[in-house]
Order: sequence, then structure tokens, then C-alpha cells
Amino acid sequence: AQSVTQLGSHVSVSEGALVLLRCNYSSSVPPYLFWYVQYPNQGLQLLLKYTTGATLVKGINGFEAEFKKSETSFHLTKPSAHMSDAAEYFCAVKDYQLIWGAGTKLIIKP
Amino acid sequence: NAGVTQTPKFQVLKTGQSMTLQCAQDMNHNSMYWYRQDPGMGLRLIYYSASEGTTDKGEVPNGYNVSRLNKREFSLRLESAAPSQTSVYFCASSELADLRGEQYFGPGTRLTVT
Repeated sequence: AQSVTQLGSHVSVSEGALVLLRCNYSSSVPPYLFWYVQYPNQGLQLLLKYTTGATLVKGINGFEAEFKKSETSFHLTKPSAHMSDAAEYFCAVKDYQLIWGAGTKLIIKP
Repeated sequence: NAGVTQTPKFQVLKTGQSMTLQCAQDMNHNSMYWYRQDPGMGLRLIYYSASEGTTDKGEVPNGYNVSRLNKREFSLRLESAAPSQTSVYFCASSELADLRGEQYFGPGTRLTVT
């Protein structure tokens, strides 16, 4: 069965700094990969997804992620953090169902 | 267009009580899902319905039952609540069952079992 590992339950960055949230997956077949964001007291919403094709995927709110097959990674980045980015971020991989990572809470320091 | 709606938003139950969580979507989606979210564990799938008239167990189905009432509605029932079922429950829907597309989530139900 596939698994998803998100490194760091909490990540803290200063406003304007680079955001890097890490996601590694285990897969023996080409994966379908997703990043979702959850703002406080809300449901999850899709940030971006990788299915096939270009390995650099752009999403909403200035986020992007790069699929690296050799590293089995799908890290999420944003060049400049904004206070409104404070949320919890979940990586997921398609198996017979979606397999979810434990989540990373992004904290933005003013 | 409300998307995915869930009721209630909050609920407190005593051990052994029963309740039904309601979910409805107005996007004409074929597939619907029930997840639970616990701190540090991400989302775990309880049950899903790939299409109207079908339901299947997910990762953590014990203690729950579901009903796909029609294409719009998918309810989750706790027959005899236990403290281990204290969690936040999310309903989601997707256009297709192939999991390649986006899942749309409701706002969640925060359930406490004492």
C-alpha cells in the first residue's frame, strides 16, 4: 500500500520568506499527487495536482510543486509567504483511494 | 451554488447515543466520501459511494454506517457512539470515482463523545 510522509508537523517562516513544505510518497507506479489546503475551521480545498506531463505544477495563490520521480517527492513551494497563507497543508497520493499525509501547519511570522 | 453542505456543525453525544450526520452536494457529482480528521493523522476514509446506489468501506468503517439516499445526499450514522469517535467529520464529493480529479469538501462536523 502507498504511504505519504510530510516532514514537519509545523513549519514557521517569516512574511516574505520562501515557503517549502515537504512531501514524500511511496509508489511503484506513476502517481497522481495532490496538495490541499485547510484554513482554520474550514474544509479542504485543492491547491494543485500532478497527473501526467509537466513535472512543475502551478496552483492557486502562487503555490507550485515539483514532481521528482527519482526522489519520490512532491514538495510545495511559494517564493514569498503572506500572512493569509497561514493554514494546514495536506499532501495526498492516489491509490485505490486517496492516501493522505498527516498535514503540515504553516505559521507565518510578521 | 452551495457546494457541499453538512449538518450539524457541532454535536456532543454521550457514549451509546446514536446520530446521523447529513451531507448534500449540488454539483451533480457522482462520487461522495466520508472522512474523519484527527490531529496528526491527516484524513482517513470511513466510507465512500462511487455512484448512486453503491457504497463501500474505506480505511476505518467500524462503528459507522452510510446511506446514499440519492445522487445529492450521503449520510453517515453512528449507531452507538464511543469516545474514540470524537473527531471532525468531513464529507466530500467528486465528479468521477477515478480519483484523478478534485474532491470538494464540506465545512465539517465537530463531534465530541463523552
